[in-house]
Amino acid sequence: GAGVSQSPSNKVTEKGKDVELRCDPISGHTALYWYRQSLGQGLEFLIYFQGNSAPDKSGLPSDRFSAERTGGSVSTLTIQRTQQEDSAVYLCASSLESTSASSYNEQFFGPGTRLTVL
Amino acid sequence: DQQVKQNSPSLSVQEGRISILNCDYTNSMFDYFLWYKKYPAEGPTFLISISSIKDKNEDGRFTVFLNKSAKHLSLHIVPSQPGDSAVYFCAASEDDKIIFGKGTRLHILP
Repeated sequence: GAGVSQSPSNKVTEKGKDVELRCDPISGHTALYWYRQSLGQGLEFLIYFQGNSAPDKSGLPSDRFSAERTGGSVSTLTIQRTQQEDSAVYLCASSLESTSASSYNEQFFGPGTRLTVL
Repeated sequence: DQQVKQNSPSLSVQEGRISILNCDYTNSMFDYFLWYKKYPAEGPTFLISISSIKDKNEDGRFTVFLNKSAKHLSLHIVPSQPGDSAVYFCAASEDDKIIFGKGTRLHILP
């Protein structure tokens, strides 16, 4: 069965350029999450979507980062005017629905996009 | 300020023995605690979770223990197998946000 897919798998860009990272969640999953993992760091939460809306954008590191989700499915994470510190693996995850107080809904991760900003 | 801490960056365990991975947290509002396993070049995969109202959850070779008074949880793998060699992330959730630790790399020695 199809899992979470992300594209591209690798992206090398020059400082100052904009990049778009794409995530295709598992079909039927309403919740979608973006994380990033920098060298030597854990997974850093960026943003969470429930359907097409993003109730929690608190993890976005700066206003150069934005994300959208259309049709309750595909999501794109856009980084404008990339900086070298943006270099990281960007991971997307999806779950059936958001976690409630009574149950944890497992998040399924994609393979990630490795972004290198020169 | 890290809310979820894994103080051991790496751990080596003999095959067949018990692996114990530790995790500390600071936020008493976390409602679920999770362990994820990650192989190189792959996304993390969910292993096991525990609700904050429980103190133990077992699934096959994996058991997670939660000590709320100490704000500490641990993952026990017994017996350890070569395929268990990976990075293990401890994580905690509050509402819909999951906060991950930095991970512990587990090496299973032959």
